[in-house]
Amino acid sequence: QVQLVESGGGVVQPGGSLRLSCAASGFSFSTYDMHWVRQAPGKGLEWVAFTRHDGSEKHYANSVKGRFIVSRDNSKSTLYLQMSSLRVEDTAKYFCAKEFVTVIRGITIKQYFGDWGQGALVIVSS
Amino acid sequence: EIVLTQSPATLSLSPGERATLSCRASQGINRYIAWYQQKPGQAPRLLIYDASYRATGIPARFSGSGSGTDFSLTISSLEPEDSAVYYCQQRSNWPPYTFGQGTKLEIK
Repeated sequence: QVQLVESGGGVVQPGGSLRLSCAASGFSFSTYDMHWVRQAPGKGLEWVAFTRHDGSEKHYANSVKGRFIVSRDNSKSTLYLQMSSLRVEDTAKYFCAKEFVTVIRGITIKQYFGDWGQGALVIVSS
Repeated sequence: EIVLTQSPATLSLSPGERATLSCRASQGINRYIAWYQQKPGQAPRLLIYDASYRATGIPARFSGSGSGTDFSLTISSLEPEDSAVYYCQQRSNWPPYTFGQGTKLEIK
């Protein structure tokens, strides 16, 4: 079965850096597009970053563009999120998510979030 | 950026009742919407994709409908375990992928 396990969360001061990891198992990691989604305490969901299965295409939310970098190591089945210049408003639980893929009547449906990790909590505070 | 607005913010119903949750998009998104369920302390779970298709393992009491700008998630007969926050999400125009702000469903 699909397993996604995030790690690397913690407490960091404003302006600091942190790298999250997401170890994947139970599926062919190198063939799936992956995402990071975050959730501030008591708030809703916010999409953060996307990487194509081979790392050839990446996209970011405007709120993190220029500060966060998504990457992946397909040989290790691991997704990463390098976070720099962290702000108090980046405080959240960060989920990695595997893109949902299915085919209906010959049409491939993607770009939803089919499997999620349990999340890694990042607290930005002085 | 497409904004999704969910209503109501909170819904309180009894077991066996029917729940209807709404999601309105700021512009037409065809049928490119999903619904997720999130229970306290858990990750979200995909319920419905492309407006009306149930994800694997999702009970038949969950159904989705709509197209264009107005969508709904219906739970035909509420069970106590349906108590959760429900989010809609669009894939029509990305990046960014956007979510609604959520509807909290309470089972009395």
